Amino acid sequence: SQTIHQWPATLVQPVGSPLSLECTVEGTSNPNLYWYRQAAGRGLQLLFYSVGIGQISSEVPQNLSASRPQDRQFILSSKKLLLSDSGFYLCAWSRRPGLNSPLHFGNGTRLTVT
Amino acid sequence: DQQVKQNSPSLSVQEGRISILNCDYTNSMFDYFLWYKKYPAEGPTFLISISSIKDKNEDGRFTVFLNKSAKHLSLHIVPSQPGDSAVYFCAANSGYALNFGKGTSLLVTP
Repeated sequence: SQTIHQWPATLVQPVGSPLSLECTVEGTSNPNLYWYRQAAGRGLQLLFYSVGIGQISSEVPQNLSASRPQDRQFILSSKKLLLSDSGFYLCAWSRRPGLNSPLHFGNGTRLTVT
Repeated sequence: DQQVKQNSPSLSVQEGRISILNCDYTNSMFDYFLWYKKYPAEGPTFLISISSIKDKNEDGRFTVFLNKSAKHLSLHIVPSQPGDSAVYFCAANSGYALNFGKGTSLLVTP
């Protein structure tokens, strides 16, 4: 069966510090990978998605970036965090081709920027 | 621009009764719709989906109805149980990713 791991579960970082959140998927090959964010009182906002190694699509311009160095690894980064980056970050995967296929989420990372 | 809307932020239902969660969308190109359930501090869990070629899909206590002409879908939970208390998100397919609503918090009281 497929599993998705996301870490850390919680993170408190000062403004201006860097960020690296990691996500890995097991039990499947060539998944589509996604980063979503849930800000307080808001829905799930798509940040990035990837259909293959090194292929990243950004949905929202911001100071975050994503990378996919391996087939089942997806990393969310920032060089300098802003207060507005606080939120609940969720990694997800879906089967290819991805259309009409549910997304399966990890347990999320609660990021607080102070 | 919110293309998937859940206009009720919360809903309270008695145990054993029916819970009806509603969702509206604006993009007529959406052709696949899903419902997710989310507990605090956890990721959303996929519940049920429906393709635009259908108007109903059932899975146990959960049934999703789609009204394409009204651009409306709903999730029915019968009978509701206290463990169903969670936030429910409606989502619609948009290319490779999903557009989500803001969620409806369901509370099932004993």
